[in-house]
Amino acid sequence: ETGVTQTPRHLVMGMTNKKSLKCEQHLGHNAMYWYKQSAKKPLELMFVYSLEERVENNSVPSRFSPECPNSSHLFLHLHTLQPEDSALYLCASSPGQLLTDTQYFGPGTRLTVL
Amino acid sequence: AQKVTQAQTEISVVEKEDVTLDCVYETRDTTYYLFWYKQPPSGELVFLIRRNSFDEQNEISGRYSWNFQKSTSSFNFTITASQVVDSAVYFCALSEHEWSGNTGKLIFGQGTTLQVKP
Repeated sequence: ETGVTQTPRHLVMGMTNKKSLKCEQHLGHNAMYWYKQSAKKPLELMFVYSLEERVENNSVPSRFSPECPNSSHLFLHLHTLQPEDSALYLCASSPGQLLTDTQYFGPGTRLTVL
Repeated sequence: AQKVTQAQTEISVVEKEDVTLDCVYETRDTTYYLFWYKQPPSGELVFLIRRNSFDEQNEISGRYSWNFQKSTSSFNFTITASQVVDSAVYFCALSEHEWSGNTGKLIFGQGTTLQVKP
């Protein structure tokens, strides 16, 4: 049983749509992360939140907009996406404020942009 | 700069064979952490192990074992008596400590796809 859940598990959207990915962690952790996993590429860190404050933003295009309303929830709002944004989006959480803590991942959202 | 290399893209073995997945890393820091994750077809990354750079003791957990060699900057992972359920993509990752002014974020290798055939 995973302590990190993600919804939806699969999403197909057009380039003009607006959608949101949701992540919830039930582990009492203080940091949450969004990663992008594209085919044939290493996992790329997108955003990091520690105690609901954004501490890392890896030059992600503005069409991806994160939101962390509390330490248990993390959203990724999507708008005007491109086909190359199709990927598996993984959420993770870690116990403390140190980014070197072990990160625990959710099952991911498989996004397809048409 | 940090870098993690998993030179083996795909490995195929027959059940009950032992298999070693290689991981070589680059870092200028003396304090860092190394990780292995397993990603089955379901997509979720499953945490397997975290080691810090000051602990070079090899570790064994059931059929899994890890060999950390600082002299060669390697952190290899061996599965003994492999099983079909071990089929997955395995990722090695590196994180430098935040004391060094680094962000501590995880840098992943490209992953090794392991297929265990019955």
